[in-house]
Amino acid sequence: KQEVTQIPAALSVPEGENLVLNCSFTDSAIYNLQWFRQDPGKGLTSLLLIQSSQREQTSGRLNASLDKSSGRSTLYIAASQPGDSATYLCAVNSNYQLIWGAGTKLIIKP
Amino acid sequence: DTEVTQTPKHLVMGMTNKKSLKCEQHMGHRAMYWYKQKAKKPPELMFVYSYEKLSINESVPSRFSPECPNSSLLNLHLHALQPEDSALYLCASSQDGTGRGNTEAFFGQGTRLTVV
Repeated sequence: KQEVTQIPAALSVPEGENLVLNCSFTDSAIYNLQWFRQDPGKGLTSLLLIQSSQREQTSGRLNASLDKSSGRSTLYIAASQPGDSATYLCAVNSNYQLIWGAGTKLIIKP
Repeated sequence: DTEVTQTPKHLVMGMTNKKSLKCEQHMGHRAMYWYKQKAKKPPELMFVYSYEKLSINESVPSRFSPECPNSSLLNLHLHALQPEDSALYLCASSQDGTGRGNTEAFFGQGTRLTVV
């Protein structure tokens, strides 16, 4: 059974820092992995989708990597801003369903 | 346009009421999903529609009744809900019509449901 873990559960950093969020999964047989952002009480915004054949994807200040063999993905955020404060969730497409991590709550201090 | 639109944004209903949640997308996506999300938890899959047909029902109680009138619309009919059904209900869509989620999933902003 696929399990997805996100570490840390919460992270607070000063503005301007580069940071890394981690996502690990137990079964390397995945179709893709998607990173989402969720603001309090709001829906989910798709940030990046990495297909199983890809190693990384970039969008603006965000870079996501995927290492299927080790069951890991990282989301790198460059030059963090207070507006980046949100909960970040990763979801693995495994066995025809999205399997979710519990999320990392990120706070960027001005 | 990568927008999934959900209405209403907020809903308060009594346990004897009947209400409906609506979801709309105009991206030509052939798979649509309903998720339930409790506070500080990840979303839980409820239903998947693939090419307007129900393909997955995650053992959801019958007081939740989904409907897909056409390829752009998805409804969730609610009847005789319990207070523990209070949650954020999210709709999503993806291009892949198999409903397997092989393509990027786009989510709406959700409906905050409170059952009193």
